[in-house]
Amino acid sequence: RKEVEQDPGPFNVPEGATVAFNCTYSNSASQSFFWYRQDCRKEPKLLMSVYSSGNEDGRFTAQLNRASQYISLLIRDSKLSDSATYLCVVKHLMNRDDKIIFGKGTRLHILP
Amino acid sequence: ETGVTQTPRHLVMGMTNKKSLKCEQHLGHNAMYWYKQSAKKPLELMFVYSLEERVENNSVPSRFSPECPNSSHLFLHLHTLQPEDSALYLCASSWDPSYEQYFGPGTRLTVT
Repeated sequence: RKEVEQDPGPFNVPEGATVAFNCTYSNSASQSFFWYRQDCRKEPKLLMSVYSSGNEDGRFTAQLNRASQYISLLIRDSKLSDSATYLCVVKHLMNRDDKIIFGKGTRLHILP
Repeated sequence: ETGVTQTPRHLVMGMTNKKSLKCEQHLGHNAMYWYKQSAKKPLELMFVYSLEERVENNSVPSRFSPECPNSSHLFLHLHTLQPEDSALYLCASSWDPSYEQYFGPGTRLTVT
């Protein structure tokens, strides 16, 4: 099983719809989780951290399911500007250092 | 946004050249990172510096040599690179390795 797995997509979703995607991780000791978005030929930008209690920021909701070892991202009322690649990031302590693993990303296309 | 800056933005170099990539962060962070992003691959963490001390080196070939003279600056010295080293090189910083990271715009490197 890969350390961090994401469905590469693309997810083609009409504007205004709700879309959700997951990211699974293999190490049960993982401690920190984040979602980033990356536009074509640009750097990743932090979208939101994922807390044990979940996290909501406007139209975006992130959840953590430790039992099943995945995090999710829900986007409501999708906009054309939401089109991007969404990267999942998982961190865990290995020996005394943090290990940081990026998923390959899920491509999202919002259709007019 | 000028929190993390990188220069140059584009670089073309021959396999026998020596060049350096520069990263500067203006966020007061204590940790800095180098990542490599190749087409169709996830972000690969290369080096992590925390309080100017290298804390992670992910089996990166010695033709890549990092330098962190202070907590605001990070360099990646390049020599005798191979064409497969062509990629987007991203710098990031964070308060410490367990916190979310902020990325610079990247240097797009082409090795001829």
